[in-house]
Amino acid sequence: DTEVTQTPKHLVMGMTNKKSLKCEQHMGHRAMYWYKQKAKKPPELMFVYSYEKLSINESVPSRFSPECPNSSLLNLHLHALQPEDSALYLCASSYFTGAGTDTQYFGPGTRLTVL
Amino acid sequence: AQSVSQHNHHVILSEAASLELGCNYSYGGTVNLFWYVQYPGQHLQLLLKYFSGDPLVKGIKGFEAEFIKSKFSFNLRKPSVQWSDTAEYFCAVNTNTGNQFYFGTGTSLTVIP
Repeated sequence: DTEVTQTPKHLVMGMTNKKSLKCEQHMGHRAMYWYKQKAKKPPELMFVYSYEKLSINESVPSRFSPECPNSSLLNLHLHALQPEDSALYLCASSYFTGAGTDTQYFGPGTRLTVL
Repeated sequence: AQSVSQHNHHVILSEAASLELGCNYSYGGTVNLFWYVQYPGQHLQLLLKYFSGDPLVKGIKGFEAEFIKSKFSFNLRKPSVQWSDTAEYFCAVNTNTGNQFYFGTGTSLTVIP
């Protein structure tokens, strides 16, 4: 099973709302990622979790708050977002190889619209 | 930070034409190299990858890529494209020192029937 699942598929929220995105994988991967993707653009890395610990934060605004409750789950908590935060949010996971990282498997994404 | 360049931003081909998409990276050490494809409305999928060994790697759907270390390149090729190959193609590089992927800017391929 090489599937990464994400919920919800679509989310519309106001600028004062609090919502969460969820990601799950059961491949035993110990690296998990959050990306933001705008149309026709490459994914932009937001956060990396290694063995359930936050290892990379790409200077993401604090209105985005990641959480890794266990090795299979990854959440992204959203609060007081701006309209420019509207995008496709992708989750990915991968193995560590000892010499970098193996293939990242991507979920289908959550299409977020901030009104 | 490392950089990954994809010089072809938008490519339009007729069916059965041959395809070559360029990818160059800036890291001087050992790299793991990937090509991903994103079909319209679908998620990113792995086409092929190179870690070591034979620099010519074959992937799914008839795609192949060649790693040329001296040119810091990992170009994607397909001898005969189909309409269903219409998609965004992203090159990605991972260095052997970390778990971060560096993506190229992407190439939008349109295949005309």
